[in-house]
Amino acid sequence: QKEVEQDPGPLSVPEGAIVSLNCTYSNSAFQYFMWYRQYSRKGPELLMYTYSSGNKEDGRFTAQVDKSSKYISLFIRDSQPSDSATYLCAIVTSGTYKYIFGTGTRLKVLA
Amino acid sequence: KAGVTQTPRYLIKTRGQQVTLSCSPISGHRSVSWYQQTPGQGLQFLFEYFSETQRNKGNFPGRFSGRQFSNSRSEMNVSTLELGDSALYLCASSSGQGAPSYNEQFFGPGTRLTVL
Repeated sequence: QKEVEQDPGPLSVPEGAIVSLNCTYSNSAFQYFMWYRQYSRKGPELLMYTYSSGNKEDGRFTAQVDKSSKYISLFIRDSQPSDSATYLCAIVTSGTYKYIFGTGTRLKVLA
Repeated sequence: KAGVTQTPRYLIKTRGQQVTLSCSPISGHRSVSWYQQTPGQGLQFLFEYFSETQRNKGNFPGRFSGRQFSNSRSEMNVSTLELGDSALYLCASSSGQGAPSYNEQFFGPGTRLTVL
């Protein structure tokens, strides 16, 4: 079993839809949770990070962590064609600060 | 501030050859991490260098090695290339100190390696 599992997609949604992207993890020692966005032919860029259970909002993006279920989500409201990219969750162990990434979900927002 | 640069951007090699990839971090950053990205496995951690020392290591065979120079630039070497080594190799730079919330990783555009 992989330490981090991510729904692979691909996911196609109409413009304006609410998008839900999800990951599960197996190790309760994981402490930091991040979401990255990767456009085609580019490296990933950090969207959001959090380290506690609950929700964190940044504009149209909301990151949600449920440590009891070992489940993290990223919600995108009012999705735009410019949101079309691959979204990767990343989980960091405390102490070593080693990053473990999900395989990524490819999202396409249709105009 | 200039971003992370990686050279070359594209590379084609044949099985059995070796290859060296280069990464120049953001000025002032002392940590460089290397990742392999493939469609099936996603982004997998290779190793991290901090102040010229390997600080973390992933689960890759010894054919994958790296080093970091005093100016924080890093190189990654893969010897005896196999078809399965075809991937996008990404490096990420950070200050290397403190928790991830203060220590964001910035990724380069990657080097696309194709092994024939």
